[in-house]
Amino acid sequence: NAGVTQTPKFQVLKTGQSMTLQCAQDMNHEYMSWYRQDPGMGLRLIHYSVGAGITDQGEVPNGYNVSRSTTEDFPLRLLSAAPSQTSVYFCASSYSGRVPGSYNSPLHFGNGTRLTVT
Amino acid sequence: RKEVEQDPGPFNVPEGATVAFNCTYSNSASQSFFWYRQDCRKEPKLLMSVYSSGNEDGRFTAQLNRASQYISLLIRDSKLSDSATYLCVVTKARADSNYQLIWGAGTKLIIKP
Repeated sequence: NAGVTQTPKFQVLKTGQSMTLQCAQDMNHEYMSWYRQDPGMGLRLIHYSVGAGITDQGEVPNGYNVSRSTTEDFPLRLLSAAPSQTSVYFCASSYSGRVPGSYNSPLHFGNGTRLTVT
Repeated sequence: RKEVEQDPGPFNVPEGATVAFNCTYSNSASQSFFWYRQDCRKEPKLLMSVYSSGNEDGRFTAQLNRASQYISLLIRDSKLSDSATYLCVVTKARADSNYQLIWGAGTKLIIKP
């Protein structure tokens, strides 16, 4: 039972480079999301999706793109990496998009990607 | 001001002791509240929801005080395995009438033998 698979685990980029963080879930979850976690701050929502073909912006969407062509996959694209995007990124999914993260629809997280932009 | 605030700690507590920490939130319209646990360099995992009447799950007790806008987590008979960062999470209404989570930065707990 794979759950949420997130790749890569580590990545170093130079300023201006682009890359895609992959996220896949095999639980048929409706809701998928990307967070970033920085020291001294709570997880901040980048983008989310409540179903295939539907995406929306979270709190900190600038510099990132997403797409949801299938229920299973939700890749996050960094268009032109900047040092401010150095962070730990988590993909998370839940059964329902109504109150993702609740007891009835807990968030399932990937293992995280540690990204450094130099 | 952050929407969800927590004392970052660390709380250094001897094994077997009781420890409690609070979390304050600024949005009085928040409807749901949770505690997540995050081990070092790992992903967060749901520990428990927080209900209006307070709730208990084994050694863990969560309380909600809507008037003062804070939630608390009490851990009794603490174990070494309780060492982690505890994340306070509250919901916020989205424009589409659903909800998103607002996360606190976490309180680090270290249980010492």
